Amino acid sequence: DTGVSQNPRHKITKRGQNVTFRCDPISEHNRLYWYRQTLGQGPEFLTYFQNEAQLEKSRLLSDRFSAERPKGSFSTLEIQRTEQGDSAMYLCASSLPGLNTEAFFGQGTRLTVV
Amino acid sequence: AQTVTQSQPEMSVQEAETVTLSCTYDTSESNYYLFWYKQPPSRQMILVIRQEAYKQQNATENRFSVNFQKAAKSFSLKISDSQLGDTAMYFCAPVTGTYKYIFGTGTRLKVLA
Repeated sequence: DTGVSQNPRHKITKRGQNVTFRCDPISEHNRLYWYRQTLGQGPEFLTYFQNEAQLEKSRLLSDRFSAERPKGSFSTLEIQRTEQGDSAMYLCASSLPGLNTEAFFGQGTRLTVV
Repeated sequence: AQTVTQSQPEMSVQEAETVTLSCTYDTSESNYYLFWYKQPPSRQMILVIRQEAYKQQNATENRFSVNFQKAAKSFSLKISDSQLGDTAMYFCAPVTGTYKYIFGTGTRLKVLA
């Protein structure tokens, strides 16, 4: 297993367009997290899944954001009608169950909205 | 709601010396874990060290150790014998029963040759 994989690595889009990112977690990990990180800041929680169930979604996340994890494997994060404020690094992480388990992060998808 | 404060936005240390990064957090839960993650420039986040809130003994991983003060809700990271490869952003993150990591704003550490 090569770890958590995110695609694409970079995305440039025009304001108003929709974008979709993909995350492939480590295969035996049933938890999957999405975070957003802007320059010089810590990762901000967006949402997380346990298997295919989306257990929590940040109140900061507008209705333009949606995430899915069909069959509890890979996950997609879609942003509709992108705005310049959506420009950020989007990080995916996965982990095994338990409070003490390590989250493994992907390299992220850098979104630039022009 | 959980909050995490890392009061040192940037720090620098000479190679081979020791540096301590501070972190304070706020949670109403009694059982939780605390993590330090490292994010090297243009690379992904990796775990440095973790601590269970029920354990009084401070965790140690090679050159990395923590000073966990539960009553004060303080969780500092000490890096001994600093190496150039330690240059990175460091994030503190508690994990409680909601199972999500809440990260602080980070400390940018630069190790000087």
